[in-house]
Amino acid sequence: DIVMTQSPSSLAMSVGQKVTMSCKSSQSLLNSSNQKNYLAWYQQKPGQSPKLLVYFASTRESGVPDRFIGSGSGTDFTLTISSVQAEDLADYFCQQHYSTPPWTFGGGTKLEIK
Amino acid sequence: QVQLQQSGAELMKPGASVKISCKATGYTFSSYWIEWVKQRPGHGLEWIGEILPGSGSTNYNEKFKGKATFTADTSSNTAYMQLSSLTSEDSAVYYCARRAGFAWFAYWGQGTLVTVSA
Repeated sequence: DIVMTQSPSSLAMSVGQKVTMSCKSSQSLLNSSNQKNYLAWYQQKPGQSPKLLVYFASTRESGVPDRFIGSGSGTDFTLTISSVQAEDLADYFCQQHYSTPPWTFGGGTKLEIK
Repeated sequence: QVQLQQSGAELMKPGASVKISCKATGYTFSSYWIEWVKQRPGHGLEWIGEILPGSGSTNYNEKFKGKATFTADTSSNTAYMQLSSLTSEDSAVYYCARRAGFAWFAYWGQGTLVTVSA
């Protein structure tokens, strides 16, 4: 199974600051035939279901604010929030959707707003 | 619009079984994989498995084989997950979700809380 590792486990930022969080996979998520990385990011606000933010590592889901930016390739990926807002308080999870099941998630990064 | 409506919270005794439902609306139910995900505090998200309602094809996480069983009723557009021989380790919120494209989960149900307690 592909193991997903996220860091940091938590971070606290002030409104307006730039936030970066990492997700690493135990094997490459790059499909050489289409040059796409099979990595998704989700946001889970307190008491809510997860919400898809990004897929294929950098494609923003419809309706997601452009301050959420996914990047990376191979085994190393980053979710950046360019200017964090109070409503971005949430847990963030990465998930690999490469090839065949099992689909696996990272352990999550908890974002707190100072 | 796509919606997944899950059944309500359950309080179960150890050793019992529980069946959670996930009713889908807004799309062709038979054509998309339904995923099942477990969430316990401090344990993140765990993929349990998936079912393709039109064919009944299933894939299970090895960890949940023998614990979870998926079925789907295309006449009512409802997917089900049964959890058997419940223990305290099964106390969690369970989500159904619908795949989009290459196995990212674009739509999620509201979650069903299962509590196992004597």
